[in-house]
Amino acid sequence: SAVISQKPSRDICQRGTSLTIQCQVDSQVTMMFWYRQQPGQSLTLIATANQGSEATYESGFVIDKFPISRPNLTFSTLTVSNMSPEDSSIYLCSAPRTSGRHGPPHSLADTQYFGPGTRLTVL
Amino acid sequence: AQSVTQLDSQVPVFEEAPVELRCNYSSSVSVYLFWYVQYPNQGLQLLLKYLSGSTLVESINGFEAEFNKSQTSFHLRKPSVHISDTAEYFCAVTPAGFQKLVFGTGTRLLVSP
Repeated sequence: SAVISQKPSRDICQRGTSLTIQCQVDSQVTMMFWYRQQPGQSLTLIATANQGSEATYESGFVIDKFPISRPNLTFSTLTVSNMSPEDSSIYLCSAPRTSGRHGPPHSLADTQYFGPGTRLTVL
Repeated sequence: AQSVTQLDSQVPVFEEAPVELRCNYSSSVSVYLFWYVQYPNQGLQLLLKYLSGSTLVESINGFEAEFNKSQTSFHLRKPSVHISDTAEYFCAVTPAGFQKLVFGTGTRLLVSP
């Protein structure tokens, strides 16, 4: 299974500010994904982070609100901009199956592993 | 597009009783199916998955799920639950060969003594 870490694990932020969440994977992956889990709800995909190109956003999510960076094959950031209380959620990153071996980074994988999540509270 | 339905939002059971958590999916193409578990205040963990081959898949902690293509279902079962199985269980689907997951709304399994 993949080892995926996220920072910060939780934060409490003021309305109108921005927070950048970091996600680190223990081996190279072509695509990384960012999900949101609102209180008491399921996970919703925000965007797919591709290395070397712009992120692909799902319906209802825009780059101005959730800018994403993907500087290399093991790291990505998600920024929640101009936050409001409605942004209070758990934000999770995920990456396709990786066992830590040095495999081809562009091969299709079949299982998503998730980071521990970032619990965001906006006051 | 794919969709997942988990009809039961909450399933209360007594310890050592059997349990079934239902999952139905909708897709016009071949799919991969997953069950993820989220323990209280923890992240999402993969429980088991169906990609191809045998329609019955098992996890290391006694859960199993059976892929039924005709009924478009992937129900999760365990013959005898423990208190430690108390968690939220999510069913998810992705088109075969792709990686974007569509999640169901989750089922909270509550195991009591």
